[in-house]
Formats: sequence, structure tokens, C-alpha cells
Amino acid sequence: AQKVTQAQTEISVVEKEDVTLDCVYETRDTTYYLFWYKQPPSGELVFLIRRNSFDEQNEISGRYSWNFQKSTSSFNFTITASQVVDSAVYFCALSGNTNAGKSTFGDGTTLTVKP
Amino acid sequence: EAQVTQNPRYLITVTGKKLTVTCSQNMNHEYMSWYRQDPGLGLRQIYYSMNVEVTDKGDVPEGYKVSRKEKRNFPLILESPSPNQTSLYFCASSPLGGPAGNTIYFGEGSWLTVV
Repeated sequence: AQKVTQAQTEISVVEKEDVTLDCVYETRDTTYYLFWYKQPPSGELVFLIRRNSFDEQNEISGRYSWNFQKSTSSFNFTITASQVVDSAVYFCALSGNTNAGKSTFGDGTTLTVKP
Repeated sequence: EAQVTQNPRYLITVTGKKLTVTCSQNMNHEYMSWYRQDPGLGLRQIYYSMNVEVTDKGDVPEGYKVSRKEKRNFPLILESPSPNQTSLYFCASSPLGGPAGNTIYFGEGSWLTVV
């Protein structure tokens, strides 16, 4: 069985602060994929990143960065200099090669960025 | 424009009245899936389909049926809806192989209320 844990239910920061959203996963697969999605107040799901288990390089995209550490089974997401438009629910998700059709989501972290 | 289209977007129905939520994608994707989103529970997978005529249960299939007679459509059927099926439903698609290794494209969501 696979599992994704986002221990932070809600985070509130003031604009321009940096914030890190934690994601810890469990899987028996040796090949697997991790995802982050953003769900703004309007409700749609926006794909942010996909990372496979063989690529532990950190990734940066503008103000967003991701830290993947297999040793701790974590795939954390950092927003630098947060903005009000970053306010959303963020989901971490996992899919493994053994059962390629199944995807498991964490419960989500609600981020509120105050002006 | 590449998209996943769900209908209806909003529906209030009564217990026991059969309903179908349609999902259609125009990207020629082999993989399609249904999720439900409930407060504090993230997204949970209901059913998925790796290709035409192939469907599999996700984590919460009880009370739902699906069919995949053609590539572009993947309807979700609630034969006898109950109030505990009140939820936000998302349909998704991705290329061959499913979410393991591919980006998932989500529909805009369908708000379903069963009274």
C-alpha cells in the first residue's frame, strides 16, 4: 500500500515570508512518481511538478522549489517570498509503477498568505 | 484546446435517484480516472481506466459504477445515490501508462449534493 502524509493542515504566513510545505510518503515500489498540485479558491487543480524516484535533484521554478530526499521519504515544497495569490490548498501525490493506475493524494495543506 | 470536460458542474439530487456524471477528454489519452474530494480527506480515487474496456477499482469504489466503451468518455454512475456521496468530484486523464510517469489533466470538478 502507498501513503502520503501532509502533516501541516493549515499554514498562515504574511506576504513575502518563505514557507515550506511538507510531504512524506510511503511506498514499496522502487520506481515511483511524486507530484504537487495547487487548488486555488476557485477549485480547479493545477499541476505544479512531477518528480521520479531516480531523480533526486532539487528543482527550482521561479519562487517555487522542491526538495526530494529519498533517505527521509520526503518531497517538500518551498515558496519563497510568498504572495497573496499563493493562497490555496496544496496537495502532494504519489504513483508507483507496480500499480500504475493508482494515485494516492495527501490530505492537503491550506496555505493562507496575508497581505 | 486540450481539456477534460465534466457535466454537470453542479447538481442537487435526491437519495436513490440514479445519476450519471459525464467526463470527456479531447487529448486522445488512454488513462482516465475519477476522484472525490471531501474536506480534510484530500482526493480519493474511485475508479480508473488504463484503456478502453479496462477499468479498476480505486480506494473508494463502493456505490459507484463506471464504463469505458470509448477512449474519450468515462462516465461515473451513481445507481442509488446516498447523502454520504455528497462531494466534489474530479475526472482526470493522462497519456498511456497513467499517472506513473505522466502529467494528470483534471476536469473542473462537479459539485454533487444528495439530499
